[in-house]
Amino acid sequence: DAKTTQPPSMDCAEGRAANLPCNHSTISGNEYVYWYRQIHSQGPQYIIHGLKNNETNEMASLIITEDRKSSTLILPHATLRDTAVYYCIVNLAYFGNEKLTFGTGTRLTIIP
Amino acid sequence: NAGVTQTPKFQVLKTGQSMTLQCAQDMNHEYMSWYRQDPGMGLRLIHYSVGAGITDQGEVPNGYNVSRSTTEDFPLRLLSAAPSQTSVYFCASSAYGVEAFFGQGTRLTVV
Repeated sequence: DAKTTQPPSMDCAEGRAANLPCNHSTISGNEYVYWYRQIHSQGPQYIIHGLKNNETNEMASLIITEDRKSSTLILPHATLRDTAVYYCIVNLAYFGNEKLTFGTGTRLTIIP
Repeated sequence: NAGVTQTPKFQVLKTGQSMTLQCAQDMNHEYMSWYRQDPGMGLRLIHYSVGAGITDQGEVPNGYNVSRSTTEDFPLRLLSAAPSQTSVYFCASSAYGVEAFFGQGTRLTVV
């Protein structure tokens, strides 16, 4: 599986958009990009995933570059409850999510 | 709909003791997994299962056993607990095309 690189920490003002980058330069054509987050040592929570097109759901947007070597998770209007560790994970398309490889993620702090 | 349920939530063991961490899901997912998370680190995969009767090792399997006799349950056994197994353990379930759902974790301390 491709490795990912994320900044260790980021701050964002409450109400602003939080943009979390992820590099996955060795991603292969059959690997998805997944984002999960972990709030205060709870179990991780799925956010969004994509293959090559941009994706949006009720939680976030995912922007994947055309060469697929990097992506950005966007939380459009960050709230204090979005303070968490965010994990960017690449996973083979024909697998389920039964063997995810977590790095150390980005610790996002939302500032009032 | 309870999702993924882990028991116990907290446990203290003495070195050399054995125990079983329980994990149950009610979503009829075929895939289940066990991870451990040490302080300041991401989750690491211990064992996983792609269906009843089928299990495989993950990144850090030593010292742990699993079995999957039913779709719903995936217990993790510590045969002889060691202080290095002090960690938070998460169970997850998923299906093909479905994201992983995680339990709330079991916080294990081995003294």
